Amino acid sequence: GQNIDQPTEMTATEGAIVQINCTYQTSGFNGLFWYQQHAGEAPTFLSYNVLDGLEEKGRFSSFLSRSKGYSYLLLKELQMKDSASYLCAVTKVDNFNKFYFGSGTKLNVKP
Amino acid sequence: DTGVSQDPRHKITKRGQNVTFRCDPISEHNRLYWYRQTLGQGPEFLTYFQNEAQLEKSRLLSDRFSAERPKGSFSTLEIQRTEQGDSAMYLCASSRRGSQTEAFFGQGTRLTVV
Repeated sequence: GQNIDQPTEMTATEGAIVQINCTYQTSGFNGLFWYQQHAGEAPTFLSYNVLDGLEEKGRFSSFLSRSKGYSYLLLKELQMKDSASYLCAVTKVDNFNKFYFGSGTKLNVKP
Repeated sequence: DTGVSQDPRHKITKRGQNVTFRCDPISEHNRLYWYRQTLGQGPEFLTYFQNEAQLEKSRLLSDRFSAERPKGSFSTLEIQRTEQGDSAMYLCASSRRGSQTEAFFGQGTRLTVV
């Protein structure tokens, strides 16, 4: 399998900034996705990185370093509704976009 | 476009019974995936269809599991002789063809085997 590591749980304060890290070891790396999943709900797409660098989408940004096998998801101006699990997933070349997911990081946003 | 829909949302069954789940993908998506997710874990890949062809099955998919997508539209996942270890959330996802496209997930079917 693929080694995809994320912290299990994090806590942050409403209005703050939080960075969720993801490291991976895989051959034939194609791209890295971040999904958000609220308890009991479907994962929803947040961002996708295939090249090194930062992708920004509103309050959410995702960074990738292919040489280091490292990504992070940055959440700014945290809101209570951001309390959820954040899943890091990698895809491989010529693998029909099958996702290899990490175990997810549960983010608790407190007032 | 109503997204990916799965039915039922919840299923409780007795050990040894057969169960079948249905997934309706987004209509123009030709790729369809089944994943399984247990508490505190990320989804694990089970199987993949491109149109009606099942192109890959995970080793997690034992002989008791079978999936179909007969007309390249909806898909079914059947589990025969269910075991308590089959208790999990079964997620369906669909995507357009291409190497850099996100997958859209359904709400999942939560299976509890008692």
